[in-house]
Amino acid sequence: GQNIDQPTEMTATEGAIVQINCTYQTSGFNGLFWYQQHAGEAPTFLSYNVLDGLEEKGRFSSFLSRSKGYSYLLLKELQMKDSASYLCAASDNYGQNFVFGPGTRLSVLP
Amino acid sequence: IAGITQAPTSQILAAGRRMTLRCTQDMRHNAMYWYRQDLGLGLRLIHYSNTAGTTGKGEVPDGYSVSRANTDDFPLTLASAVPSQTSVYFCASSEGTGTDTQYFGPGTRLTVL
Repeated sequence: GQNIDQPTEMTATEGAIVQINCTYQTSGFNGLFWYQQHAGEAPTFLSYNVLDGLEEKGRFSSFLSRSKGYSYLLLKELQMKDSASYLCAASDNYGQNFVFGPGTRLSVLP
Repeated sequence: IAGITQAPTSQILAAGRRMTLRCTQDMRHNAMYWYRQDLGLGLRLIHYSNTAGTTGKGEVPDGYSVSRANTDDFPLTLASAVPSQTSVYFCASSEGTGTDTQYFGPGTRLTVL
């Protein structure tokens, strides 16, 4: 099975940098996804890490350490529109499990 | 291109009634999924289908059934709804399984009284 943990809530200021952590315990781990979900809307894909290291995509970066069972999502130059829930999800080798963490609700304040 | 559509958008249902939530995708994705999302619990997989004609059970399948008669459609049926099935239901699809990005529909908000 798989177990994923994230902080429940975080608050940051517009223009700042915030790091959202995700730890996972899995069997047959294959890769780690990050999704963004605005209130009342569907989750949308942000990033996918399968190898150790940092993947950068504009203001958003995602890091993975397979040996430590740890990932983080880094958001730079925060904007008000970044206020949302951020979900990490782990996929396994067998293509039949795609497990989401509980999500981190980020509030960006002016 | 619509992507994934779900119907209805929201529904209030009496306990014991039968309900089918509809999901259609036009991306020709092989895999489709049904999740429920509850406050504090995140998204939990109900059922999945890796390809047309096959289905499998996820983390919380009890009380739900699915079918995958063709590539585009993946309906979710509640045979006899109970209040604990009050939730937001998301359908998703991906080109392949496991390592492929999942794309989500807009969701159905279901209330069972």
